[in-house]
Amino acid sequence: DIQMTQSPSTLSASVGDRVTITCRASQSISSWLAWYQQKPGKAPKVLIYKASSLKSGVPSRFSGSGSGTEFTLTISSLQPDDFATYYCQQYSSYSVGFTFGPGTKVDIK
Amino acid sequence: QLQLQESGPGLVKPSETLSLTCTVSGGSISSGSYYWGWIRQPPGKGLEWIGSTSYSGNTYYNPSLKSRVTISVDTSKSQFSLRLSSVTAADTAVYYCTRRPVGYGVDVWGQGTTVTVSS
Repeated sequence: DIQMTQSPSTLSASVGDRVTITCRASQSISSWLAWYQQKPGKAPKVLIYKASSLKSGVPSRFSGSGSGTEFTLTISSLQPDDFATYYCQQYSSYSVGFTFGPGTKVDIK
Repeated sequence: QLQLQESGPGLVKPSETLSLTCTVSGGSISSGSYYWGWIRQPPGKGLEWIGSTSYSGNTYYNPSLKSRVTISVDTSKSQFSLRLSSVTAADTAVYYCTRRPVGYGVDVWGQGTTVTVSS
């Protein structure tokens, strides 16, 4: 099974800060990675798929990069609406199953 | 716009079977381009894929839950269902039904339903 890790587990930041979250896979997953944002009491929402493709309607301050085993989610200028928990998820076109990283909580500094 | 809605008991006794149904509206469940599945989230914890089905009934399960999980689809009712047997307190979670396009991440989520396992 492919295991996913994320760092940091918690990140304290201020509005306007540039924020970077790292996700690592236990083996190469090419670019089969998605990023989700989840707010308390709500279902997650996909932000990015295929490592760097921004979902339609997601603000351009969100960006993703990486391939193989190391990936990053960057928020270029943190906004009040961005305080949430972020999960990475590995998936692929040939495997139906998938796993999530443990999550990174972004809270107010 | 396609929507998913979970339904089922919010309280299940230990050792019994958890049963949930997801109703698809605003779109068709009968497309070969998607997997319909279940993800759960224990209180204060992360997300766990439980399993998925195609509209034709091909099923795929998380190996850690495979012995207890059954997912089925009823295209005539635009529904798919989850059964999880022999539940324990560790199965207490918010259960989400989801749609995942082939080759993409999960793009549609239900609002989630809380299931508590307790006597």
